[in-house]
Amino acid sequence: NAGVTQTPKFRVLKTGQSMTLLCAQDMNHEYMYWYRQDPGMGLRLIHYSVGEGTTAKGEVPDGYNVSRLKKQNFLLGLESAAPSQTSVYFCASSYRDSYGINYGYTFGSGTRLTVV
Amino acid sequence: AQKVTQAQTEISVVEKEDVTLDCVYETRDTTYYLFWYKQPPSGELVFLIRRNSFDEQNEISGRYSWNFQKSTSSFNFTITASQVVDSAVYFCALSVPRGSGSEKLVFGKGMKLTVNP
Repeated sequence: NAGVTQTPKFRVLKTGQSMTLLCAQDMNHEYMYWYRQDPGMGLRLIHYSVGEGTTAKGEVPDGYNVSRLKKQNFLLGLESAAPSQTSVYFCASSYRDSYGINYGYTFGSGTRLTVV
Repeated sequence: AQKVTQAQTEISVVEKEDVTLDCVYETRDTTYYLFWYKQPPSGELVFLIRRNSFDEQNEISGRYSWNFQKSTSSFNFTITASQVVDSAVYFCALSVPRGSGSEKLVFGKGMKLTVNP
């Protein structure tokens, strides 16, 4: 099925370990986003990308890095995981039509990460 | 900067009651988009509606209805005759178009609705 696929769905890390979360979309969307969801905080934007090879910081970028080497993939990296990064991570993608209207915001099913 | 406020954090109702979820937004832009998402206990985010700032018509979809009022910067969501399956966390969100493509979805903190049988 077309959409946004996140891997893995669950992960437990020890403090200091590193890992990469993968987001893949097959809708040819230009824009991709990484959000984290914490209780009582809603979803907060970590990083986003407006096209292949470009990335930008969102609201809470510290401790994360991202890469968009291919249009369909957006990777979120944690170089040295900390307990404060325990969260549910959502990837999303969207596209803009010829009138500049941003459609879509299709979300993946989330990755539940626990850092112990 | 954009901001979305969902003042209610949690609501509990009995099945068949009507319930309104409040959403107040802040932006200086005249063009923007408002969204509602549902997050059921399974965790995925389900898109419910998108409304642009130039369309103030209320919308009804089955038991769901949305009231958009620019004068009060509100985009409220009403569920009529609530059902247990409506139990979820509901998010209101705002997006402002940017020529650079740097627009993003700004979320409220969410409101947990519990519908009891």
